This record gives sequence, C-alpha cells and structure tokens, in this order.
Amino acid sequence: EAGVVQSPRYKIIEKKQPVAFWCNPISGHNTLYWYRQNLGQGPELLIRYENEEAVDDSQLPKDRFSAERLKGVDSTLKIQPAELGDSAVYLCASSLDTVNTEAFFGQGTRLTVV
Amino acid sequence: TQLLEQSPQFLSIQEGENLTVYCNSSSVFSSLQWYRQEPGEGPVLLVTVVTGGEVKKLKRLTFQFGDARKDSSLHITAAQPGDTGLYLCAGATSGTYKYIFGTGTRLKVLA
Repeated sequence: EAGVVQSPRYKIIEKKQPVAFWCNPISGHNTLYWYRQNLGQGPELLIRYENEEAVDDSQLPKDRFSAERLKGVDSTLKIQPAELGDSAVYLCASSLDTVNTEAFFGQGTRLTVV
Repeated sequence: TQLLEQSPQFLSIQEGENLTVYCNSSSVFSSLQWYRQEPGEGPVLLVTVVTGGEVKKLKRLTFQFGDARKDSSLHITAAQPGDTGLYLCAGATSGTYKYIFGTGTRLKVLA
C-alpha cells in the first residue's frame, strides 16, 4: 500500500516568490494534516481537513498561506509571498478519520527561502 | 497554550546502554503518542497511550503514561544504532483530537 506522497522533496526559492506543495494521502483516509517543522523542533499543525472541509486552521498564517483539498483527496499548501522565516520542512499526514488518530506522515518538503 | 517539554534534548550513548526520555506538561491529556523520526523522513507512530498509569511494551521499548496523564516516559533497553533518531511525544487534550507535538529528543546510538 502506498504511503502519503509529497512533492517536491526539496524546494529553493527567493524571498517574495510563491511556492506550492502537494500531498496525496493514503487512499481512504478522510483526515489530512499539514504541519511545519522547524529545524530541531517538533511539527506544528498548520491546518487539518476532514474530507474537503478545513476544520482547524487556527495556526495557519492566513495573510500568506493558503490550502485547499478539492474533492477531499489531494491537497495543496501555498505560500505567497515567501519570507526567509518560512524555511522549514512541510509535512503532510493523513489518518482514517479524526477518531482514529494514527497519523501517517509523508517524507516532507524541505523549503529553503533565500 | 499547552506545552510539551521533552528531556533531554540530545542524548548520545553507546550500543547496549539503556536510556529513558521524558515528556512533561502542565496539561492533562486524554491520549499521548510517541513517534520516531529519522533524517529526511516523516515521523512514524510507535505507540498511543490513553489510560493513566498505562505501560506498553514494543520489543525493547517501554512506554509509560503518568498516573495524572500529564507526563510520559520512553525507556529503551540495550540500545542499538538503529534506534538513532528524533523521538517526539504528542498529546491531545480531552474533547479534541488535536495533537500537539513536543520539542523532541535527538538520540544517537554509537556502535
């Protein structure tokens, strides 16, 4: 069974440029999470989806970050414009649903903003 | 804002040694999870504990949830180089399914 797939694995952009990350969760998983992990720290939740609905986006910096999960499957996370402080690993995870909280993580996208 | 503090931050030990890492908070959790993350990979779930005082074993790993459900520990017996990684705890408070991750313990086991 395929795991959570993220792309790209690495991205280097100049500040003020836009960037987008893509995530394909495990088939049948209704809940999808986007996390940001700074170097040497634990992941921080940005947004959680139940199917296509964003049920928790309280930690998403909405002035520059946006996310969507059309049709309740794949998801994209966008930053526009990127700032130097956005350099981090962006992790996507999925679980069967909110109650079954075993989350499976993708390998992440390492973003470097220069 | 609940905060999960893990200690130690870094640990470097020789193969065969035992170790314990801790996860502490002032908040009460309805459940707590432990993950291991290897470089360049996402975290992988090791265990979920939900009952105060609960002890779970996974081969050489022993997980304990504190009686008051505010803290947890992970004990590794006879550590091996394959145990090297970042160990993360994550807790969810009652009524939510939102897991907050701790600061992590980076373990290195030397052959």
